[in-house]
Amino acid sequence: AQSVTQPDIHITVSEGASLELRCNYSYGATPYLFWYVQSPGQGLQLLLKYFSGDTLVQGIKGFEAEFKRSQSSFNLRKPSVHWSDAAEYFCAVGKIQGAQKLVFGQGTRLTINP
Amino acid sequence: GAGVSQTPSNKVTEKGKYVELRCDPISGHTALYWYRQSLGQGPEFLIYFQGTGAADDSGLPNDRFFAVRPEGSVSTLKIQRTERGDSAVYLCASSDRQGEGTQYFGPGTRLLVL
Repeated sequence: AQSVTQPDIHITVSEGASLELRCNYSYGATPYLFWYVQSPGQGLQLLLKYFSGDTLVQGIKGFEAEFKRSQSSFNLRKPSVHWSDAAEYFCAVGKIQGAQKLVFGQGTRLTINP
Repeated sequence: GAGVSQTPSNKVTEKGKYVELRCDPISGHTALYWYRQSLGQGPEFLIYFQGTGAADDSGLPNDRFFAVRPEGSVSTLKIQRTERGDSAVYLCASSDRQGEGTQYFGPGTRLLVL
């Protein structure tokens, strides 16, 4: 069965600082990986996804993520955060073949200090 | 174009009552998903429709939960004999293809069972 672990429940960074949110997955085959962001009272918005090919994936809002098969990780990064990046971030894994139900991690809440 | 919409945005009910939650997917999307998000957790898969049929309902917690999509567009999630533990945000997502299709999420329905 698939599973996703986001080790950090809450992270606080200063505006302008770099950011890395961790995600580890467990899946027996090649995974289909996602990062979503959820602002208060809002639905989930897709930041980026990895399906195959280049292991460094670029997304919206200046985010990127790197798939590392040897570490079963898909960490999200941003070189310089903005106050508007404060939100909840979810990593998710799906199967490439078949029903595309997603398994989500618990989420990481990001707080930005001015 | 219009995104996924969900109604109502908030629903308060009493223990033992019946509720219906509605999801309008993005026009033309053939796949529709329901997830449940409890406080402080990531979304958990409930059921997935491809067209009118439920392709995977393995996430429904028990037989009090039921979902339909009679015309392959709008879907209704139905909960009978609600319990306080059903309180959560119910998220709907749609995608244009099985497997590789990116899931676009609605804002959710916040259900509170008193």
